[in-house]
Amino acid sequence: ETGVTQTPRHLVMGMTNKKSLKCEQHLGHNAMYWYKQSAKKPLELMFVYNFKEQTENNSVPSRFSPECPNSSHLFLHLHTLQPEDSALYLCASSHPQGGSGANVLTFGAGSRLTVL
Amino acid sequence: SQELEQSPQSLIVQEGKNLTINCTSSKTLYGLYWYKQKYGEGLIFLMMLQKGGEEKSHEKITAKLDEKKQQSSLHITASQPSHAGIYLCGADILAGNQFYFGTGTSLTVIP
Repeated sequence: ETGVTQTPRHLVMGMTNKKSLKCEQHLGHNAMYWYKQSAKKPLELMFVYNFKEQTENNSVPSRFSPECPNSSHLFLHLHTLQPEDSALYLCASSHPQGGSGANVLTFGAGSRLTVL
Repeated sequence: SQELEQSPQSLIVQEGKNLTINCTSSKTLYGLYWYKQKYGEGLIFLMMLQKGGEEKSHEKITAKLDEKKQQSSLHITASQPSHAGIYLCGADILAGNQFYFGTGTSLTVIP
């Protein structure tokens, strides 16, 4: 248990469904991240939130919609996905150390998404 | 474009053998982080290197960062089946929270 909890762990959805992935951390971190991990591809940074404000959107299609209501919770809303969106979605949080530059990310166990 | 390149992509070693994984960037890194991932699970933090020439060890794993802060290696001594998994290097490429990962190295240790 890392302190970052992702639900659900597994999700199967049709292309016309609307679903959401949830991430929760109680580590006191102020930055939260969504990554996508597909087979045989490097981890792709999708979104970054810092103090609830989105600071990065890495050219992610609009069918993925993030929401960060507070520093402890992060959602990824999914709508009209494609089969190629099937992947492991990883949430992470961190507390960047400013001047020292240290930025250790703590990851959740991931949500395995299958789009039919 | 891929900011961090790892080699090799996969590695199969006999238990007890030593091995090295490399991570290379074309840019100077603010910090270099090594993570381990078991299949289908989240990443577990191993070590962080920030200074050029820095070297850190934990149990049988040693990580080094070169003087230019563009290349790092992860060395495992006397590998065990428990070392099996995917090893990823990660880094802050730019100031701010743009944290990117390498392509990963899949390690199999045969008993």
